[in-house]
Amino acid sequence: GQQLNQSPQSMFIQEGEDVSMNCTSSSIFNTWLWYKQDPGEGPVLLIALYKAGELTSNGRLTAQFGITRKDSFLNISASIPSDVGIYFCAGLSYQTGANNLFFGTGTRLTVIP
Amino acid sequence: NAGVTQTPKFQVLKTGQSMTLQCAQDMNHEYMSWYRQDPGMGLRLIHYSVGAGITDQGEVPNGYNVSRSTTEDFPLRLLSAAPSQTSVYFCASSYTGSNQPQHFGDGTRLSIL
Repeated sequence: GQQLNQSPQSMFIQEGEDVSMNCTSSSIFNTWLWYKQDPGEGPVLLIALYKAGELTSNGRLTAQFGITRKDSFLNISASIPSDVGIYFCAGLSYQTGANNLFFGTGTRLTVIP
Repeated sequence: NAGVTQTPKFQVLKTGQSMTLQCAQDMNHEYMSWYRQDPGMGLRLIHYSVGAGITDQGEVPNGYNVSRSTTEDFPLRLLSAAPSQTSVYFCASSYTGSNQPQHFGDGTRLSIL
């Protein structure tokens, strides 16, 4: 399967700080997605990116689709306690067919009040 | 707003037992899929379906069967459970097309003893 390397694996930050995480792949993706997972729940879509170079915001979240189509980053500004959770990047490739997603290994975010 | 519904939420099986994990969606989505989530490995695709009567294998299909007799339902079957299948299983659905975000259920936590 396609490998997505996500970093960092975990982060401990103070409330109010900004957060940055990224995802790289050995393969090209046509769509990059960022999901958040809370304990005991399924992943929830945060941001979807469809074009190389695209920069998209959703409230305090900003994500970019790398120009090479092999990477993406997610920034969270002014973190708050409810930002706690696991963040996953996911890529979608036309070559693999359908809507099949390949997920990164996740970044576990802890926000200290 | 039911979305994607998975049952059961928790299950403990003995090695060799069979089990069906249920997944239903009420959004008339053509695409449905099953993922498993293991610690440190993100989500990996097991099987997927692009419509009723059509199924295909994902990244880790061995030990699992699926069928898609209706648009709404996409059950996942373990014919002879093995300890290596201990995991959290997520079902997802979306409209077809690479720009359609997937909606996830809340997961089934399965333990094989």
